[in-house]
Amino acid sequence: SQKIEQNSEALNIQEGKTATLTCNYTNYSPAYLQWYRQDPGRGPVFLLLIRENEKEKRKERLKVTFDTTLKQSLFHITASQPADSATYLCALEDDYKLSFGAGTTVTVRA
Amino acid sequence: NAGVTQTPKFRVLKTGQSMTLLCAQDMNHEYMYWYRQDPGMGLRLIHYSVGEGTTAKGEVPDGYNVSRLKKQNFLLGLESAAPSQTSVYFCASSVESDTQYFGPGTRLTVL
Repeated sequence: SQKIEQNSEALNIQEGKTATLTCNYTNYSPAYLQWYRQDPGRGPVFLLLIRENEKEKRKERLKVTFDTTLKQSLFHITASQPADSATYLCALEDDYKLSFGAGTTVTVRA
Repeated sequence: NAGVTQTPKFRVLKTGQSMTLLCAQDMNHEYMYWYRQDPGMGLRLIHYSVGEGTTAKGEVPDGYNVSRLKKQNFLLGLESAAPSQTSVYFCASSVESDTQYFGPGTRLTVL
């Protein structure tokens, strides 16, 4: 069966450190993968998209890698700030739709 | 640009009651989606539409119906609400099947 797994535990990190989130999947062959941010009581907001032929994508302090052999994406937040505290969702292209992971909650301590 | 809006924001229903959730987008997007989000389960696709007048089933369609009579609107209906439909419902839209823009959500409680 198809499965998308993100860090099962919440991530608590010190301000200034790098947060690394994982997204592993089975029985998908996504043409692209996306990462979204969700704040409490709000809808998800798109952050980054990476295609299957791209190894790495960057946007400001965010970096995403995509390894189709390992079936894994890593999402990095460098020089983290308390404002980065949120839940981060990975989403895989699945037959022209998106399938979402359950998300990883990140808390950045000042 | 309001983006994606959802009506209502909150609703409490009794078992067996019916209701319609309205999603509207002003970005001229072709694709629209309805998801539900439950604790620990992530977003699950209920129904989606790839254009005006079209609808298709997602992962968890049972107990829901949808209509897309106008390009900018996507309606989600519950004909006979059940406690298992207590959830937060999100609507989203996209140009094609890529980046999705989400609404603020509707929190529904079925007693």
